[in-house]
Amino acid sequence: DAKTTQPPSMDCAEGRAANLPCNHSTISGNEYVYWYRQIHSQGPQYIIHGLKNNETNEMASLIITEDRKSSTLILPHATLRDTAVYYCIVRFSSNTGKLIFGQGTTLQVKP
Amino acid sequence: DTGVSQDPRHKITKRGQNVTFRCDPISEHNRLYWYRQTLGQGPEFLTYFQNEAQLEKSRLLSDRFSAERPKGSFSTLEIQRTEQGDSAMYLCASSYGGTSGHYEQYFGPGTRLTVT
Repeated sequence: DAKTTQPPSMDCAEGRAANLPCNHSTISGNEYVYWYRQIHSQGPQYIIHGLKNNETNEMASLIITEDRKSSTLILPHATLRDTAVYYCIVRFSSNTGKLIFGQGTTLQVKP
Repeated sequence: DTGVSQDPRHKITKRGQNVTFRCDPISEHNRLYWYRQTLGQGPEFLTYFQNEAQLEKSRLLSDRFSAERPKGSFSTLEIQRTEQGDSAMYLCASSYGGTSGHYEQYFGPGTRLTVT
């Protein structure tokens, strides 16, 4: 599974969009990008995943660059409850499903 | 179904003692994972079950660690002769799974182990 690089921390104002970047320059053609988040003292929570196309669900949007070497998770209207560590993970669809977590980005949403 | 549950939520033990943690996955899920998380780090994969078969173990899982999933339902993780370095949050996750596909993992709240 390819390695990912994320900034260690970011701030965002409540009500504004939070844009969390992830670099995965060694991603291979059939590896997917997954995002999970972990709110303090809880287990990680799945957010979204994608291969090539941009994806949107009720929680967030995922924008993947055309060369697939980087992506951005967008929380359109961040709330205080979105304060968490966000993990970008790259993996094949056909493997065991185990997740290889990096250090993630700590997002602090401020009032 | 209320999600993945883990028991106990907290465990304090003395060095050298054995401890056992339990994970109850979401009932329809055939895949079960254990992870370990130390302070300030992301979770690290420990082991994976498909039904009752343990199909992968990390090199992090020393011979003091053993995991079981009898009958493909709940799972236990036992640590023998605990060491202070075993202090961590132990997370369990479950998911559907087939030969391929995208099945999100649902995590439990974790068991926090403190070895004194």
